[in-house]
Amino acid sequence: NAGVTQTPKFQVLKTGQSMTLQCAQDMNHNSMYWYRQDPGMGLRLIYYSASEGTTDKGEVPNGYNVSRLNKREFSLRLESAAPSQTSVYFCASSFDTDTQYFGPGTRLTVL
Amino acid sequence: QKEVEQNSGPLSVPEGAIASLNCTYSDRGSQSFFWYRQYSGKSPELIMFIYSNGDKEDGRFTAQLNKASQYVSLLIRDSQPSDSATYLCAVKGDYGGATNKLIFGTGTLLAVQP
Repeated sequence: NAGVTQTPKFQVLKTGQSMTLQCAQDMNHNSMYWYRQDPGMGLRLIYYSASEGTTDKGEVPNGYNVSRLNKREFSLRLESAAPSQTSVYFCASSFDTDTQYFGPGTRLTVL
Repeated sequence: QKEVEQNSGPLSVPEGAIASLNCTYSDRGSQSFFWYRQYSGKSPELIMFIYSNGDKEDGRFTAQLNKASQYVSLLIRDSQPSDSATYLCAVKGDYGGATNKLIFGTGTLLAVQP
């Protein structure tokens, strides 16, 4: 049981480049989430998917898009990366909307 | 006013002492409360959750909830250097129009001195 996995672990982008962060869970959870974590700001919700086929904006959705590919996978896309998107990105999942389990994170730097 | 507030610390306690971490929240209707531990460079790891007023104990950890005063705390007994980490408080409630979101505090850094 791998839990929540994320790829890649590290990424460096130039301003304007695009990339997709991948997340998968093997716990048969219904809900999945994308957060970013910045020093002094805590964890902030970018997008979430309460169930397969649905996605909703969180607190800081601008500059991001998501796809809930199936029940297991939830990807986050940066269409045109900006330095302000330098952060650590965490994917999480939960069976209902309560207890969330986090992946190992992706450390993204945008130059 | 922040929705979930924690003292950023660092909170420094000697090994073997009780560490007390506190969290206040703004949504009086919040029903679910969580404590996560995050080691430097790692992802948050769930320690405990609590739904009802009062105390909930799990090993060396005790979560305390007081809905009337809108605070939740985490006590760590017999603190060990391995407990040194950032502790995140999370509250589920209606924030910003989206129901049932988990809102995280910015965390309290705990340092246990050998």
